[in-house]
Amino acid sequence: LAKTTQPISMDSYEGQEVNITCSHNNIATNDYITWYQQFPSQGPRFIIQGYKTKVTNEVASLFIPADRKSSTLSLPRVSLSDTAVYYCLVGGKAAGNKLTFGGGTRVLVKP
Amino acid sequence: ETGVTQSPTHLIKTRGQQVTLRCSSQSGHNTVSWYQQALGQGPQFIFQYYREEENGRGNFPPRFSGLQFPNYSSELNVNALELDDSALYLCASSRLAVSSYNEQFFGPGTRLTVL
Repeated sequence: LAKTTQPISMDSYEGQEVNITCSHNNIATNDYITWYQQFPSQGPRFIIQGYKTKVTNEVASLFIPADRKSSTLSLPRVSLSDTAVYYCLVGGKAAGNKLTFGGGTRVLVKP
Repeated sequence: ETGVTQSPTHLIKTRGQQVTLRCSSQSGHNTVSWYQQALGQGPQFIFQYYREEENGRGNFPPRFSGLQFPNYSSELNVNALELDDSALYLCASSRLAVSSYNEQFFGPGTRLTVL
């Protein structure tokens, strides 16, 4: 399974855009890139998933360059409730849905 | 549609005891995975059950065992509890597909404390 590297923590302010970059140099051809969000004492929650280029949904955008060795999760206009840990995961059919979490990025949104 | 539920919410045990944690998967899902999350770390994959059969296991000893029932609910059993077993235990359900990497839906977890 491809290993991921992401910053340990990031601080931001309400209304700003937060961008979290994840490195996955050993990503395999059939691997997808998935981001989960976790609040304290809760289970992780799926945010977004992509394979290449750009994916956007109602909460975030995911940017994936052509070489797919990294990806960037973009959270537009964050609020205090976006304070959480964000995990970048890489895997695919071979992983059989066995998610491999790294340490995640702790995002603190300040007023 | 009912989400993933877990019971109990919290549990305190002593070293050497045995514990059973329970999970009800989301409606329509046939796969349940269990994860252990120590404080300040990301979840670690324990094992997965698909149609009542173990479908992969992480780096956990045999004293961690599980079951999946015909209604796709699941149990995690841990024997001979150790202090390091203290963690948040997460259950996640999904609909295992052949050709895609499916989203997993996590329950709120069971906080196990071993004294």
